[in-house]
Amino acid sequence: SQQGEEDPQALSIQEGENATMNCSYKTSINNLQWYRQNSGRGLVHLILIRSNEREKHSGRLRVTLDTSKKSSSLLITASRAADTASYFCATDVTGNQFYFGTGTSLTVIP
Amino acid sequence: DVKVTQSSRYLVKRTGEKVFLECVQDMDHENMFWYRQDPGLGLRLIYFSYDVKMKEKGDIPEGYSVSREKKERFSLILESASTNQTSMYLCASSVGQVDQPQHFGDGTRLSIL
Repeated sequence: SQQGEEDPQALSIQEGENATMNCSYKTSINNLQWYRQNSGRGLVHLILIRSNEREKHSGRLRVTLDTSKKSSSLLITASRAADTASYFCATDVTGNQFYFGTGTSLTVIP
Repeated sequence: DVKVTQSSRYLVKRTGEKVFLECVQDMDHENMFWYRQDPGLGLRLIYFSYDVKMKEKGDIPEGYSVSREKKERFSLILESASTNQTSMYLCASSVGQVDQPQHFGDGTRLSIL
């Protein structure tokens, strides 16, 4: 399977702390994307990083990509209770089809 | 903003019924996708379509079919529903170019009794 794997499966932190989650994948990719899913809702796109990029920022989000290790990390700085959600990485291998991981469940305690 | 609308949030059907799940997007996207989401398994692609009347099998197409007669609408059909098809079903759409995000609906939680 080309599916990404997120690590850890679950993460619980205090409000204001940073949250880091990781994604590993198996094959060469065009890009890697991170999505957020609030309970009972669909996924929302957060950030896309292309295979020739190493780091990308968007607000409180920082994504890194290491294609030699086939891994990516998502850092959420100064977390808020509203960041409580599941986070998924998705790898784009073919240009049309994405492969999603199983997700990291983040709980931010107020 | 892109809006992807799934016809039902919750649906309860019986084993053996033919079930239709509808998805409509309002941004003229070329690509549309159907996933199912199960605890511990993440999202798995059932079918996708990159154009009207075109369809491609994903990772788990068995027991499902799809229809895309109009660009904005992508239907998932369970030919004869079974209890192992109880799941959350998510529809998504995207522009038909590389490096584009997918936009998701809020999902349909389907229970087969």
